[in-house]
Amino acid sequence: EAQVTQNPRYLITVTGKKLTVTCSQNMNHEYMSWYRQDPGLGLRQIYYSMNVEVTDKGDVPEGYKVSRKEKRNFPLILESPSPNQTSLYFCASRSRGGQFTEAFFGQGTRLTVV
Amino acid sequence: ILNVEQSPQSLHVQEGDSTNFTCSFPSSNFYALHWYRWETAKSPEALFVMTLNGDEKKKGRISATLNTKEGYSYLYIKGSQPEDSATYLCAFGAKSEKLVFGKGTKLTVNP
Repeated sequence: EAQVTQNPRYLITVTGKKLTVTCSQNMNHEYMSWYRQDPGLGLRQIYYSMNVEVTDKGDVPEGYKVSRKEKRNFPLILESPSPNQTSLYFCASRSRGGQFTEAFFGQGTRLTVV
Repeated sequence: ILNVEQSPQSLHVQEGDSTNFTCSFPSSNFYALHWYRWETAKSPEALFVMTLNGDEKKKGRISATLNTKEGYSYLYIKGSQPEDSATYLCAFGAKSEKLVFGKGTKLTVNP
């Protein structure tokens, strides 16, 4: 089954404690991205990757890091989480063809930073 | 900064009603317009990807139209059912593979 898998689904952590949210897709997609969803705001792009070892900032990259060492995986790293990073996070992937192909989303990770 | 507007923000209809909502986007540098359906506690799922001015797409009771010259798209649901309750997101396909999402229209269909 084609899918994007995120882990964990829920996470409560303390300020400053490094964490990683994993994202893996089994569709051999080139393009992967991370979004955050906050009340009253649309999905905002954090980082994206057009292929292995190619990553770039989205609209709200501050406080986040990513890596793309393998095509299937695109982890999101919060080196020193802060309460303003409390949010619902989605990973998504698309095949080559960019805007013309639909995005497949992971199940979401609800992160709370206290 | 690209701006994608969706209206209304929320909508309550009765089962059996037909409804529609709007997505407005920049009319220049257009690549594609996406519609997604997002049910509570699930992940967004693609409904349509539209690329040509005048495009009309249909999936069951849901259809969408696209006007790239004036920068809007309509999503129509015919004979709404409670299982249609969800947030409907549109996304503008911009340069460099980016998708810019609107804030969504939250639809509630009352039995």
